[in-house]
Amino acid sequence: SQTIHQWPATLVQPVGSPLSLECTVEGTSNPNLYWYRQAAGRGLQLLFYSVGIGQISSEVPQNLSASRPQDRQFILSSKKLLLSDSGFYLCAWSVGTSGGGETQYFGPGTRLLVL
Amino acid sequence: SQQGEEDPQALSIQEGENATMNCSYKTSINNLQWYRQNSGRGLVHLILIRSNEREKHSGRLRVTLDTSKKSSSLLITASRAADTASYFCATELQGAQKLVFGQGTRLTINP
Repeated sequence: SQTIHQWPATLVQPVGSPLSLECTVEGTSNPNLYWYRQAAGRGLQLLFYSVGIGQISSEVPQNLSASRPQDRQFILSSKKLLLSDSGFYLCAWSVGTSGGGETQYFGPGTRLLVL
Repeated sequence: SQQGEEDPQALSIQEGENATMNCSYKTSINNLQWYRQNSGRGLVHLILIRSNEREKHSGRLRVTLDTSKKSSSLLITASRAADTASYFCATELQGAQKLVFGQGTRLTINP
């Protein structure tokens, strides 16, 4: 069966520090991968999605970036965090042949607090 | 503005009652999905309904889709305390390879 991992679960970082959040998927090949951010009590904002290694689409211009160095690994990064980067970050995957709009499976999330 | 808008934003009912949540959207879609999120956790997929379908059932869940009104509803029958969560609708826009999520309905089931 497929599983999706995210780490760390919680992160407290000072303003201006770098960020690296990692997401890995097991049990499937060539998945579509997604990074979302969720503000408290709000819906999900799509940040990046990827349909293959090295292929990244950015939805919202900001100081975050994403990379997909391996088929089932998706990394969210920042060189310098802002206070506004605080939030709950969710990684998700969907079957790669489906075009991206089919069922998405979410990881447990990373809660980021920038101070 | 959001593609998907849930209504109400919050709903509180007694255990055993039925809960109905609505979702409206603006543009043509390929499918509409409902997800559930327990506090501080990831989202869990509940049900997917395609644009050519009008109603779908899964256990105690019933989803309807009215493409002429660009709206969907999620009905949870015989609610349980464990149904307490936030519920989100998500739409796959025609021509897009992604989902657009609404702001969610926060459902509280009182024992």
